[in-house]
Amino acid sequence: GAVVSQHPSRVICKSGTSVKIECRSLDFQATTMFWYRQFPKKSLMLMATSNEGSKATYEQGVEKDKFLINHASLTLSTLTVTSAHPEDSSFYICSARVPGLAGVNLDYEQYFGPGTRLTVT
Amino acid sequence: GQSLEQPSEVTAVEGAIVQMNCTYQTSGFYGLSWYQQHDGGAPTFLSYNALDGLEETGRFSSFLSRSDSYGYLLLQELQMKDSASYFCAAPHPGQNFVFGPGTRLSVLP
Repeated sequence: GAVVSQHPSRVICKSGTSVKIECRSLDFQATTMFWYRQFPKKSLMLMATSNEGSKATYEQGVEKDKFLINHASLTLSTLTVTSAHPEDSSFYICSARVPGLAGVNLDYEQYFGPGTRLTVT
Repeated sequence: GQSLEQPSEVTAVEGAIVQMNCTYQTSGFYGLSWYQQHDGGAPTFLSYNALDGLEETGRFSSFLSRSDSYGYLLLQELQMKDSASYFCAAPHPGQNFVFGPGTRLSVLP
């Protein structure tokens, strides 16, 4: 099946610093990737949709200047948390749509990366 | 917009059958997906219903009724490893997924 990786799996940083999280599709090309945030025992909250070669689409309430998304290639999207604060501590997960066969839209299935646990001290 | 509702917790014993419900309100509906997530792990895809009826995959079955805006995930022959959170999700037209709040399943010996 499709594999999505994330790096790093865990990161601890100090307030005011920036952290970059990478999301890679390993065995397929992903024109669209999604970034989610998840608090303990809560559901996944979509932050933004990352499109290869164009600007990301952010959900309402998500600061685009704070959460920078770059989808530079068909296999890599990055999320940079700038000037991180303790309230940014969370579990960040990316996912990718699996490209379907010609003419078939497999929108119902996404493959998720293993997630990145960010702790800001 | 879209919203999905799920019970927060369900407890069952090994070997039993458990049903986890999902109701939705949506301005556009394409189908219902189900995902499993163990603590600290990534969600994994379980099943998808585009049409009314039951879809079966091994011990897992998923059901959809569009007229009732309702679906459920059925797990049979419960095992300890099935303890996890289960999310229903609905694709947002042309865009992304909206996830339900999740049901935390605890399987007791």
